[in-house]
Amino acid sequence: EPEVTQTPSHQVTQMGQEVILRCVPISNHLYFYWYRQILGQKVEFLVSFYNNEISEKSEIFDDQFSVERPDGSNFTLKIRSTKLEDSAMYFCASSVRQGGLGFEQYFGPGTRLTVT
Amino acid sequence: AQSVTQPDIHITVSEGASLELRCNYSYGATPYLFWYVQSPGQGLQLLLKYFSGDTLVQGIKGFEAEFKRSQSSFNLRKPSVHWSDAAEYFCAVGSYNTDKLIFGTGTRLQVFP
Repeated sequence: EPEVTQTPSHQVTQMGQEVILRCVPISNHLYFYWYRQILGQKVEFLVSFYNNEISEKSEIFDDQFSVERPDGSNFTLKIRSTKLEDSAMYFCASSVRQGGLGFEQYFGPGTRLTVT
Repeated sequence: AQSVTQPDIHITVSEGASLELRCNYSYGATPYLFWYVQSPGQGLQLLLKYFSGDTLVQGIKGFEAEFKRSQSSFNLRKPSVHWSDAAEYFCAVGSYNTDKLIFGTGTRLQVFP
């Protein structure tokens, strides 16, 4: 069964460093998402991406964050200058479409980001 | 404000017992409703979904959920729990006019043999 994959599974970085989290969505999906889950808190939406542009973003997704689909398979989340509060599990997800049947989002296993 | 409430933080059941996990939502538009399960160290696996139509939906692993519009609820049920069902369960809501899912805080299920 097709699945979303994410690399790395765990990333440790120092405050102020740039990190790139990588995801390979399910191949026939067209919508891509990033969520994060700070330890002990809810899963929160960050951004959605469709047709090579951001479709929707939350207030969390400020100028420190960016997303890109550099090729036909990868979808990346970049954090330009990490802060301690960016430590979280980051989930990538994908769906066939937005709205209605096919909107169900399939999640990857997550990347645990630890900022020291 | 849009929100999802899972009133039970932690539930413990015996293997073979029935299970009901509660989910209430507050959402302005017609909701799409989902249940996800997260095993330790794993990602979020989709258990079942509701978009429209029959209010009782069947999912994977023997789970079902019932949408009750009058109660703004989407409770997850399983008639007989297996030890492998021990995990964290998340209810989520979305809609046709937004890309994002709003998640509840989760319910941790523990299963005793």
